[in-house]
Amino acid sequence: DVKVTQSSRYLVKRTGEKVFLECVQDMDHENMFWYRQDPGLGLRLIYFSYDVKMKEKGDIPEGYSVSREKKERFSLILESASTNQTSMYLCASSSRGGFDEQYFGPGTRLTVT
Amino acid sequence: LAKTTQPISMDSYEGQEVNITCSHNNIATNDYITWYQQFPSQGPRFIIQGYKTKVTNEVASLFIPADRKSSTLSLPRVSLSDTAVYYCLVGLISGGSYIPTFGRGTSLIVHP
Repeated sequence: DVKVTQSSRYLVKRTGEKVFLECVQDMDHENMFWYRQDPGLGLRLIYFSYDVKMKEKGDIPEGYSVSREKKERFSLILESASTNQTSMYLCASSSRGGFDEQYFGPGTRLTVT
Repeated sequence: LAKTTQPISMDSYEGQEVNITCSHNNIATNDYITWYQQFPSQGPRFIIQGYKTKVTNEVASLFIPADRKSSTLSLPRVSLSDTAVYYCLVGLISGGSYIPTFGRGTSLIVHP
């Protein structure tokens, strides 16, 4: 079975801190995605990557950056966390861009105080 | 930015058929339509995928009209365990880029 793991289930950070959210997949998938999920807004795409060292902006990239140095790992970075970035963050991977089934991790609930 | 649209919520009873429709006017020509199911405290999981006409698997059917501007997820004879949020995913073209885009989700509640 495909496994997508995220570094933390719950995270509490202070405003202005630099935050790293890590995602690892074990199926040699080319594509990886970061979403945030908020009540009433569904899943919104932050960034995605179709290959190592490659990234594409999604719907809401402002305030975020990403890093993909290895195929299996995709990191989401909040350079200076703000309270409006309090949310559930979901990572996913797939073997083809958007067309193929995406496999999701369990999510990280980030609270910025 | 082009969007997908789904009903916010639906109610049903055990044993009934449930149909959830998603509209996606600007779907990318080569993209598939995929539906996901999400339970609380879990990531979404794949249910079904199709390109056009009708697709059926062991848990659901997916109906896609010829213009592909909408799709309907059909859940036959729902049970209490089908209570979840259902999302459609399509690829939309925005500013010349392909962006996989989820709908806002439909919260389905199945009553005894």
